[in-house]
Amino acid sequence: AQKVTQAQTEISVVEKEDVTLDCVYETRDTTYYLFWYKQPPSGELVFLIRRNSFDEQNEISGRYSWNFQKSTSSFNFTITASQVVDSAVYFCALSMNRDDKIIFGKGTRLHILP
Amino acid sequence: DGGITQSPKYLFRKEGQNVTLSCEQNLNHDAMYWYRQDPGQGLRLIYYSQIVNDFQKGDIAEGYSVSREKKESFPLTVTSAQKNPTAFYLCASSPGQAIFYGYTFGSGTRLTVV
Repeated sequence: AQKVTQAQTEISVVEKEDVTLDCVYETRDTTYYLFWYKQPPSGELVFLIRRNSFDEQNEISGRYSWNFQKSTSSFNFTITASQVVDSAVYFCALSMNRDDKIIFGKGTRLHILP
Repeated sequence: DGGITQSPKYLFRKEGQNVTLSCEQNLNHDAMYWYRQDPGQGLRLIYYSQIVNDFQKGDIAEGYSVSREKKESFPLTVTSAQKNPTAFYLCASSPGQAIFYGYTFGSGTRLTVV
């Protein structure tokens, strides 16, 4: 079965702290893609990153970084020096080569306190 | 600007009534999707369509219907058979296989049954 688990339902940190959002996935496929989306209070989901199963290089984009580890089936997301504007719900998602749809985790609500 | 337009933003429905949610895209994307979001449940797939005049059921299709008569439009009807329709509904599109491109999302419609 394919599944995405985001065990952290809600996280609160003080501004400028670093925070890591966890994502664990399950699939028997060898070819798959992993995604992270951000959902600000406006409601629209914003694409952050896509990573395929053959590329385990970590990625950094400004204050955002992602750690993909196939050995633990994890694709964690770290925000460095968090800002109030980072407050949102973050979704991790999985798509397999044989499907044309994306499976989402339940999301982690992140509160950045000023 | 290209994007996905969902209307209305808020919708109220009396019990026993059908209601149709609009989703229009001008991105020239082939595939379109409807997701339902409930607090703590993440996003669950209702229906999706990869080409005009064709669509497939997702994980929670019961009580919903769709049509895809035009590439740009993918309306969702919430019928009286849907027992708990109050939720946030998100429409998404993708240029081709979702695994390669991910989704572009609309800003959502919040449906409340009164």
